Amino acid sequence: ETGVTQSPTHLIKTRGQQVTLRCSSQSGHNTVSWYQQALGQGPQFIFQYYREEENGRGNFPPRFSGLQFPNYSSELNVNALELDDSALYLCASSLAENSGNTIYFGEGSWLTVV
Amino acid sequence: RKEVEQDPGPFNVPEGATVAFNCTYSNSASQSFFWYRQDCRKEPKLLMSVYSSGNEDGRFTAQLNRASQYISLLIRDSKLSDSATYLCVVRPFSGGYNKLIFGAGTRLAVHP
Repeated sequence: ETGVTQSPTHLIKTRGQQVTLRCSSQSGHNTVSWYQQALGQGPQFIFQYYREEENGRGNFPPRFSGLQFPNYSSELNVNALELDDSALYLCASSLAENSGNTIYFGEGSWLTVV
Repeated sequence: RKEVEQDPGPFNVPEGATVAFNCTYSNSASQSFFWYRQDCRKEPKLLMSVYSSGNEDGRFTAQLNRASQYISLLIRDSKLSDSATYLCVVRPFSGGYNKLIFGAGTRLAVHP
């Protein structure tokens, strides 16, 4: 309903593996950001992409990386998974040029690391 | 100290009650303020923006006090459907337009 779609919705990975999560932003939105939400916590900002360039990053290690494509869709990659990486990963999109625009979240990808 | 702090609750209230949530933020260089609502195992959804002049949307009233770095949300005539987690959110001036700083959320449970 927000126009932001994420895949997969649920996945289970083993410690040490790598994972790629995908996000399609709302039509026309050129800014995508990723958040990690652990159980019982609020979402934590991982990083943001604007026109295919990372232009903001939260307090996450380099094994969290991302990409934004020309159609503004995005990927979040996490290497060397740790048990604490188990969380809901949320993608959000907006149109940066309009400061009054709402930021829309996708339904998220639930990652469990065992 | 967390950048955005909220009482985690839960707040258990009967239908029709008035309930108030408070939130404080530490970064005085913050640009915008919001309340988001998050239902269990769902994504956060914008409830309302918060302005210094105060703003109201139906049964919901939000207030910002920049001097005290304090944000509030008042819900009047609570409905069962208001049961959710309410997230206090701050957008800083720097770090990217989509960078939002979330509190841990306040849980509200409205019972019959």
